[in-house]
Amino acid sequence: GAGVSQTPSNKVTEKGKYVELRCDPISGHTALYWYRQSLGQGPEFLIYFQGTGAADDSGLPNDRFFAVRPEGSVSTLKIQRTERGDSAVYLCASSLDGSVSYNEQFFGPGTRLTVL
Amino acid sequence: DQQVKQNSPSLSVQEGRISILNCDYTNSMFDYFLWYKKYPAEGPTFLISISSIKDKNEDGRFTVFLNKSAKHLSLHIVPSQPGDSAVYFCAASFGSGSRLTFGEGTQLTVNP
Repeated sequence: GAGVSQTPSNKVTEKGKYVELRCDPISGHTALYWYRQSLGQGPEFLIYFQGTGAADDSGLPNDRFFAVRPEGSVSTLKIQRTERGDSAVYLCASSLDGSVSYNEQFFGPGTRLTVL
Repeated sequence: DQQVKQNSPSLSVQEGRISILNCDYTNSMFDYFLWYKKYPAEGPTFLISISSIKDKNEDGRFTVFLNKSAKHLSLHIVPSQPGDSAVYFCAASFGSGSRLTFGEGTQLTVNP
């Protein structure tokens, strides 16, 4: 069985451009999480989906960041008008069911975003 | 505010000896604590966890200790092996949804 996959593995863009980052969770996992890891820091929570809906988006830093999961499987993190401070590794994780107390989260390898 | 802190950015030990990684937290609502291990260019992988109703959990060479009164947990690895060299993250969660709050990480180097 495949693990969590993320594409692209690396993305270089220019300041002000729009980017989309994709996450394919483990098949059958209903919960999906996005985290962001800056250099020298631990991963920082962005958003959590249970099924198709965003159950908790309190970690999104501002309205330039948006994420969707239209069919309850693949998710796309979208960043508008990118800024140099958005440069980080964006990690996706999935778990079997986020609506019960603690389910192990399985992480993908991340997408390294560099904004020039 | 940094609710989960790992004050040691790095730790170096000899193969066969014990590695002790420490973590402190401030939010008393946390009820589940985890350790993740991360190799370069890979995502974090789950290592071991502990519920707040316990004070110790052991899995092979790995043991996690929780001191709730001190809001402190530690990961013991014994004996340490060179393949254990990685960045170790402490994380905490509470309630459903289980969003994880991570510490900054500790780079463990086990020397042969």
